[in-house]
Amino acid sequence: DSGVTQTPKHLITATGQRVTLRCSPRSGDLSVYWYQQSLDQGLQFLIQYYNGEERAKGNILERFSAQQFPDLHSELNLSSLELGDSALYFCASSGSSTTDTQYFGPGTRLTVL
Amino acid sequence: AQKVTQAQTEISVVEKEDVTLDCVYETRDTTYYLFWYKQPPSGELVFLIRRNSFDEQNEISGRYSWNFQKSTSSFNFTITASQVVDSAVYFCALSAFNDYKLSFGAGTTVTVRA
Repeated sequence: DSGVTQTPKHLITATGQRVTLRCSPRSGDLSVYWYQQSLDQGLQFLIQYYNGEERAKGNILERFSAQQFPDLHSELNLSSLELGDSALYFCASSGSSTTDTQYFGPGTRLTVL
Repeated sequence: AQKVTQAQTEISVVEKEDVTLDCVYETRDTTYYLFWYKQPPSGELVFLIRRNSFDEQNEISGRYSWNFQKSTSSFNFTITASQVVDSAVYFCALSAFNDYKLSFGAGTTVTVRA
């Protein structure tokens, strides 16, 4: 158990809908990262937050957004969902340094029908 | 930009055989960090090992060992005396100093048969 929690574990929804994925980092970690794992793209970095502020952005679609709250949990919002958004979404957390190891949560499997 | 290549797509071995996973990376940064993560069939990503670019000493941790060679930009990972529970997808990943994201390879699926 990495100490990173993600909810829900599974999510099934329809095209055009909006969903919110939630992540709680390990105790003491200030950084939260979101990654998408799909069959065609592999594991790709989406976005990082550090102590409530966006720090780095990767291949995140405009339909996707994220935030980190004062209690350091983070939410990833996916809107206008398309079939191609079906994937496993991981949250990871690390300490304050860029050199810290990222520990991953169990993931949320999103299926868009 | 960082790039990680895992040329082996799948490896199948019989229990107790050794398994070596290849990883080749590209980066223009002089300080970087290399990782191996494991994704068992249950789906979670589990951190295994980490190596900093300024430390080329190779180590052994239990049944895991790794061979980091800066000259060839390789970071290979070996599982000694494999067990069925080692069956998983193994990912090599790279991050550079001041670049927060992990860049992952495509993964190598390891199947250990009893």
